[in-house]
Amino acid sequence: GAVVSQHPSRVICKSGTSVKIECRSLDFQATTMFWYRQFPKQSLMLMATSNEGSKATYEQGVEKDKFLINHASLTLSTLTVTSAHPEDSSFYICSAGMPQGRAYNEQFFGPGTRLTVL
Amino acid sequence: GENVEQHPSTLSVQEGDSAVIKCTYSDSASNYFPWYKQELGKGPQLIIDIRSNVGEKKDQRIAVTLNKTAKHFSLHITETQPEDSAVYFCAVMRNTGNQFYFGTGTSLTVIP
Repeated sequence: GAVVSQHPSRVICKSGTSVKIECRSLDFQATTMFWYRQFPKQSLMLMATSNEGSKATYEQGVEKDKFLINHASLTLSTLTVTSAHPEDSSFYICSAGMPQGRAYNEQFFGPGTRLTVL
Repeated sequence: GENVEQHPSTLSVQEGDSAVIKCTYSDSASNYFPWYKQELGKGPQLIIDIRSNVGEKKDQRIAVTLNKTAKHFSLHITETQPEDSAVYFCAVMRNTGNQFYFGTGTSLTVIP
């Protein structure tokens, strides 16, 4: 149980295009999903917290108009990188929090999406 | 906020030896401490976690110890194997929140 998938696993796009990344919780409903960005040999940096049915909460320094997050259902959240530029190239990882009723909010991570912007 | 420090940043051990990675944190309200293993090009995988109401937890070759007074917790891997080579991250979270604060990672290499 507690499997999180991401699609696509790898994407290469031209500068100026938009890219959508999907994050799905396959066997549980996640009221909260998180989006992280990871540069090579660095730790995970939280970009935003996504709650089903409401607007995402962005971390300081993350542009909400550039990184659009939608959490339309309890099993799906999407991150759209708009007008991508080479500096947006990174490893994007989502995680899903376990449903309410648990004592602690455990998070389970997806396999990540490698974005390369040419 | 929370400040999580992780040491060492790199660690090389001979196969069969033990590896220890330590994290310190600053917020005494933190009470959930997971450890993640990340292989190259993959997402982090939870390997063990500990709650604040216990001091030690063990799962086969992996153990985690927690010292709430000193605000540090450690990952112990015994009888290391080459497949243990990966980057390990500690994380800290409060029960009242849902945000993880990650350590900076430790690149572990197990030499056959």
